[in-house]
Amino acid sequence: SQQGEEDPQALSIQEGENATMNCSYKTSINNLQWYRQNSGRGLVHLILIRSNEREKHSGRLRVTLDTSKKSSSLLITASRAADTASYFCATDRTYNQGGKLIFGQGTELSVKP
Amino acid sequence: DAGVTQSPTHLIKTRGQQVTLRCSPKSGHDTVSWYQQALGQGPQFIFQYYEEEERQRGNFPDRFSGHQFPNYSSELNVNALLLGDSALYLCASSLLGSNQPQHFGDGTRLSIL
Repeated sequence: SQQGEEDPQALSIQEGENATMNCSYKTSINNLQWYRQNSGRGLVHLILIRSNEREKHSGRLRVTLDTSKKSSSLLITASRAADTASYFCATDRTYNQGGKLIFGQGTELSVKP
Repeated sequence: DAGVTQSPTHLIKTRGQQVTLRCSPKSGHDTVSWYQQALGQGPQFIFQYYEEEERQRGNFPDRFSGHQFPNYSSELNVNALLLGDSALYLCASSLLGSNQPQHFGDGTRLSIL
């Protein structure tokens, strides 16, 4: 079963604009991760945020986590056509050994040049 | 530094047949996880291997089995194939432990006729 749910399911923006994707989940977690998937390819890890962290940055990416609302957001600033991909949040509920990721259904981002 | 490699890239089988998919983890990683991704969906966790043993398992029937070898590479076996087994099968490797990101291969596209 899917733990996370992304919102929106699809997002279309112009190059240079910011893109915000949201993720909600149902149970307590150890960490939440965001991945990107280009069509027909594997997933690329973007950011991991631990349950005791509230915000994390990596280049043009900003992730927030609100454990009281069981939600996270991914912000991509100054988007580029190369950012066109599907974005997934994944939660890890295992505290000792990690690895069993529960993915949402993803947000399909289209960035038009 | 080679990333996660999977073989074959594509595979076509018929109902009732058996299939074996292979995965070589990223150099230095000791843990391999397998995921099934149906078209338009997020990946679903099948199982995880560490030290040649299945450590965690998702909600998949016993028709799905696996193996990890001493060199950390892994195989996923599916018996008695069903039409619904058509999907992208993704292998991910990581270091065992909490808060470790997973590195994915590009997957094997399995089509069942």
